[in-house]
Amino acid sequence: ETAVFQTPNYHVTQVGNEVSFNCKQTLGHDTMYWYKQDSKKLLKIMFSYNNKQLIVNETVPRRFSPQSSDKAHLNLRIKSVEPEDSAVYLCASSLRQGAEQFFGPGTRLTVL
Amino acid sequence: DAKTTQPDSMESTEGETVHLPCSHATISGNEYIYWYRQVPLQGPEYVTHGLQQNTTNSMAFLAIASDRKSSTLILPHVSLRDAAVYHCILRVQGTGSKLSFGKGAKLTVSP
Repeated sequence: ETAVFQTPNYHVTQVGNEVSFNCKQTLGHDTMYWYKQDSKKLLKIMFSYNNKQLIVNETVPRRFSPQSSDKAHLNLRIKSVEPEDSAVYLCASSLRQGAEQFFGPGTRLTVL
Repeated sequence: DAKTTQPDSMESTEGETVHLPCSHATISGNEYIYWYRQVPLQGPEYVTHGLQQNTTNSMAFLAIASDRKSSTLILPHVSLRDAAVYHCILRVQGTGSKLSFGKGAKLTVSP
């Protein structure tokens, strides 16, 4: 099956903990993204990678860091979570920059 | 990306053809009109996009006004699976490729 896969589906943690989310795409795409979707369903870009190179880094707190081992994987680490980090984190990929994006199912983070 | 305006919600019945409007009065000449949709507990799904000419694919028909200040996503013969929040957004291709969604228009489909 070719798609965008994310793990875990859900994660509940406490303030100050570190979390890591994984994303893998089997579509053969060159570009991958991380988005944050809040409780009002507003979607905001966080990071974008093209062939393992960071190309977009929106203004996000420094506790967020993306990690790419190859162009099919883009993970997201949050060093010390805060309550406002509670959201759905969506990973996406596209064949190239500017092409339509395909999304994974998201990871729902709840910070207590 | 420039702003778009959509109705908050629309209702339909299975089998109907649905017209989802989108206003983008301040669209720039190099901005494409993209449509995505999203159902609960899933990521957004690409529907279609266009620049100036009407476009069609297996999911929908996109009608773009001649002045490009508005567009309409036309969903023929909707089914229950078409119930979703539909997002109309504007993008300049190649500029970091980022997407930004607003509230979108919630389409309800009744049996």
